[in-house]
Parts: sequence; C-alpha cells; structure tokens
Amino acid sequence: GQNIDQPTEMTATEGAIVQINCTYQTSGFNGLFWYQQHAGEAPTFLSYNVLDGLEEKGRFSSFLSRSKGYSYLLLKELQMKDSASYLCAAVDSNYQLIWGAGTKLIIKP
Amino acid sequence: GAVVSQHPSRVICKSGTSVKIECRSLDFQATTMFWYRQFPKQSLMLMATSNEGSKATYEQGVEKDKFLINHASLTLSTLTVTSAHPEDSSFYICSARPHSNDWTEAFFGQGTRLTVV
Repeated sequence: GQNIDQPTEMTATEGAIVQINCTYQTSGFNGLFWYQQHAGEAPTFLSYNVLDGLEEKGRFSSFLSRSKGYSYLLLKELQMKDSASYLCAAVDSNYQLIWGAGTKLIIKP
Repeated sequence: GAVVSQHPSRVICKSGTSVKIECRSLDFQATTMFWYRQFPKQSLMLMATSNEGSKATYEQGVEKDKFLINHASLTLSTLTVTSAHPEDSSFYICSARPHSNDWTEAFFGQGTRLTVV
C-alpha cells in the first residue's frame, strides 16, 4: 500500500532550527510537496522536489532522497508565525497526491 | 502565484438541507480541480477529481449522489452537499492546477468550514 509517515508534533524555540522528516512509500514517484497549514486555513505551497538534493528558499529548505524514500523540511531562524502544521505529500505514478497526516510545529519563545 | 477563490468560507446549515460550495480559478484555466475534506487534526482526504466538461471521478467511499460535483467551465467547479447531516460537518478545500501534467504546484482555495446543525 501507499503510505506517508511524518511525526505528529514537534516543539522548537524561536530563533532555532527545526527539521521535519517525511518518509514515503508509493506506487511510483513523481515528486514530493511540502505545504504549510495554519489552523482553520487552507494549505499554502512551500516546496516541490523531484530530484535528489537540497533546495533552499529563504528560511525554508527541502531535501529529497529518492533511493531512501525520504524527505525533510528544514526551517531556520524560527519565528512565532511558523507555528503551523506542515504537510508532506508525495505524487504517485498516477499523478495522485498521497498526503501525510501533517506535523504540528509548536514554537516557544 | 495563481489564485483560487473558494466561497463561502463558512456556512452553517440545518440538517437535511443542501449546501453549494464554489471554487474558482481567478487568473488561469483549470482543467482539473480537486475536492478535499479535512477533519480536525487529520490530513486532507481526496473526495473527487473534477475534469472540465466530464463527470467527476470519486474516491472509494465517497457517495457521488450526496456530494455532487459540477465542473462546467475551465474556471469554476462546484461541490453540493445534498441532504446534509451533522457528520458532514468538516473543512472542505478545493485545489486546481492549470494543466493536467503540471505537478509543480497545486493551488488551494481558502477552504469552507461547514457546520450542520
């Protein structure tokens, strides 16, 4: 079956760095998304990786290893507004999005 | 980025009535739109894939006669929850992509919080 695993909840301190991991098992693979979702709001796009390696975009970076079925989202210089859920979603061979349950990130002062 | 507008953002309805939710792509033509449902503290669950000019494809377990989807134009898809019941209360989100083979990004509407009383 197809499966996405990511931690349920993480806590970090303002100004610090946090890494949110995601492992996936899908029928075929056509890339992986990371989305940010604040409570009561729709997800907003953060990144899309289809090739191995690290892609940096400001304070956020996303890494992909296709051979390991593994990705992570790295958030630097954490701000209180980064408190949100972070959703990992993989694209399978039918171009369907397989969603993880999301990681709730709590930022403490 | 592209804009997807979803309306209404919140709706409260009585049990047994129907509710229509609209999803519009404002600055691009969306050949495919997706409808998701999200229960509290859970991930997005795909309900159906809507293709312009054809019938929607529903995911297993989703009642197509209860959740009516219409995608009559390249910029508008609607989801109608018919004979709503309290268990239909949820957060409904649409997303759209410009082209069927474009997976660089999926654009989401703002979501609709449905409460059935």
